[in-house]
Parts: sequence; C-alpha cells; structure tokens
Amino acid sequence: GQNIDQPTEMTATEGAIVQINCTYQTSGFNGLFWYQQHAGEAPTFLSYNVLDGLEEKGRFSSFLSRSKGYSYLLLKELQMKDSASYLCAASGGGYQKVTFGTGTKLQVIP
Amino acid sequence: KAGVTQTPRYLIKTRGQQVTLSCSPISGHRSVSWYQQTPGQGLQFLFEYFSETQRNKGNFPGRFSGRQFSNSRSEMNVSTLELGDSALYLCASSGSGGQGQYFGPGTRLTVL
Repeated sequence: GQNIDQPTEMTATEGAIVQINCTYQTSGFNGLFWYQQHAGEAPTFLSYNVLDGLEEKGRFSSFLSRSKGYSYLLLKELQMKDSASYLCAASGGGYQKVTFGTGTKLQVIP
Repeated sequence: KAGVTQTPRYLIKTRGQQVTLSCSPISGHRSVSWYQQTPGQGLQFLFEYFSETQRNKGNFPGRFSGRQFSNSRSEMNVSTLELGDSALYLCASSGSGGQGQYFGPGTRLTVL
C-alpha cells in the first residue's frame, strides 16, 4: 500500500529556516518528490530524491533516508512568497505512479 | 518550451451528465498522469498513460476513464457525474529518467 504523512500546517518567520518532514510507506519505492503549490495554482516541481542524503538547490534542500522512510524539505532565508502548500509525493508501485501527501500549508510571517 | 495546457479551465455540469477534459503535455513528454484535487483529500492519482497505453490506475470507479493519442495528448472522461466529482482535475506530464512531473493549470469542475 501507499501512505504519506506530513504536518498539516506550519508557521515560520521571514528570514528564518523551516524544515517540513514527511514519512512514507510505499511498496516498490523509487524516489521522493517535493512540490510547491500556491493557493489557486498548480503544483510546481521542487526536487526529486532517489538516493539517501541531502540535495541542495539554492535556498531549498531536500533529504531522504530510504531505510527510515523519511524525507524533509528545508527552506532557508524564508521569504513571504514562500507561503504555500508543500506536497511530499512518493514514486513507486508502478511506472510514474506517484502518491501525494495532503500537503503542509506553510505561512511565513513578518 | 510551452508548458502543459488543459482545456477547458472551468466547467459547470449537472448530476448525471458526462464530461471530457483535455490535456496537451510538454513537447517530447510521453507520460501523462491525471489527478483529482479536493480540499479534504488532497491530490488523488487517477491514471497514467504512456505511448497510448494506460500503465497505472488509481482507486477510482469505472466512471472515470481516459485515453492518450499518438501525439501524447490525453483526454479524461467522467460519466454519470455526481456532486462529489466537483474538484480540480490536474494533468501532469513527464519525460524519461525519473524527472518531476510538470502540472498544467487544471480544470475546475463544478457539478450542480
């Protein structure tokens, strides 16, 4: 089966660092995606982790531990425009079969 | 490169009707996936097509169906609409190599 868990909401201060955690249980796991979705818009791709470890892309980094079924998205130097939902999604169980979590709504406050 | 396009953007139907949604993937992308997004359930996987073949299917009733054409464009059909089918329907395309999926703007379906 497929199961993804992530916190429903988080609040952080502009300029700070925030970590959004995700745990997954996915049969035939291939890799872990993170997407950003602003209200009323489609999700946009942020990262894809296949191997264990941390991958950095500018202010955003994503970490994966396959043995623990755990990932996190790290956002540094938060900006107001980072207020959005962040979706964790696991690929597995078939070609391009992607299971999404319900998303973490991040609010960045001044 | 043009992004994923979906038509129509908004649709209002009544219970019992059927609807067809269209998706044009990014040029060169052969995989097209469809998702239903509702506030309570988040993004739910409907099905995925590759080279005109359905490779994966989510847990939706048979009223939901799709197809893909030789140019990779895809359509999704919902028959005998129910109130609970009101949602944002998102299409996403991807290339090879485990890349991320690129989403279209979605079709907002309202069933009255």
